[in-house]
Amino acid sequence: KAGVTQTPRYLIKTRGQQVTLSCSPISGHRSVSWYQQTPGQGLQFLFEYFSETQRNKGNFPGRFSGRQFSNSRSEMNVSTLELGDSALYLCASSSEGRGNTIYFGEGSWLTVV
Amino acid sequence: KQEVTQIPAALSVPEGENLVLNCSFTDSAIYNLQWFRQDPGKGLTSLLLIQSSQREQTSGRLNASLDKSSGRSTLYIAASQPGDSATYLCAVRLGSDTGRRALTFGSGTRLQVQP
Repeated sequence: KAGVTQTPRYLIKTRGQQVTLSCSPISGHRSVSWYQQTPGQGLQFLFEYFSETQRNKGNFPGRFSGRQFSNSRSEMNVSTLELGDSALYLCASSSEGRGNTIYFGEGSWLTVV
Repeated sequence: KQEVTQIPAALSVPEGENLVLNCSFTDSAIYNLQWFRQDPGKGLTSLLLIQSSQREQTSGRLNASLDKSSGRSTLYIAASQPGDSATYLCAVRLGSDTGRRALTFGSGTRLQVQP
């Protein structure tokens, strides 16, 4: 069974640009969440989607947005990029239910210059 | 607000040693706790998930325990190998309802196993 797939793996953007990252969850998983990882702040929750609806949102500015499609694939978008947005962006998927282990993808490395 | 702390931040041991990684959390009313491993430049690999009603989980050489009342979890690695070298992260979830599902992560323990 394929794992969580994220694209692109690496990208470099210029300040002020916008970026879209994509995530395909494990087949059958309807919950997709996004996390940002930086050396200074560690892993921080961005948002979670379930059945095309945002179910939870972390403490990030409105420049960070996301969406989920009917096939559970998700995208996150960051507009007006800042240097501080340079990070590893991780997508995770899980099934519903008590024993809901969360599985992460390999991440998208974003560098803002 | 839930805070998760991991001690030590870094650990270096010779191959073959048994070791314990610690994780503490401030809000004991957790839903579950999950241990992950992260290799340099990679994503997170799930190791063990412990539900709030459980005391421990085992997988191969790994054993994770949970003491909710004291807000602590430990990850025990038996007979460590160089391939175990990685950063180990613990994460807690407060609940299953909206607003409480997000994972709160510790800052991790960077483990180096010397051959």
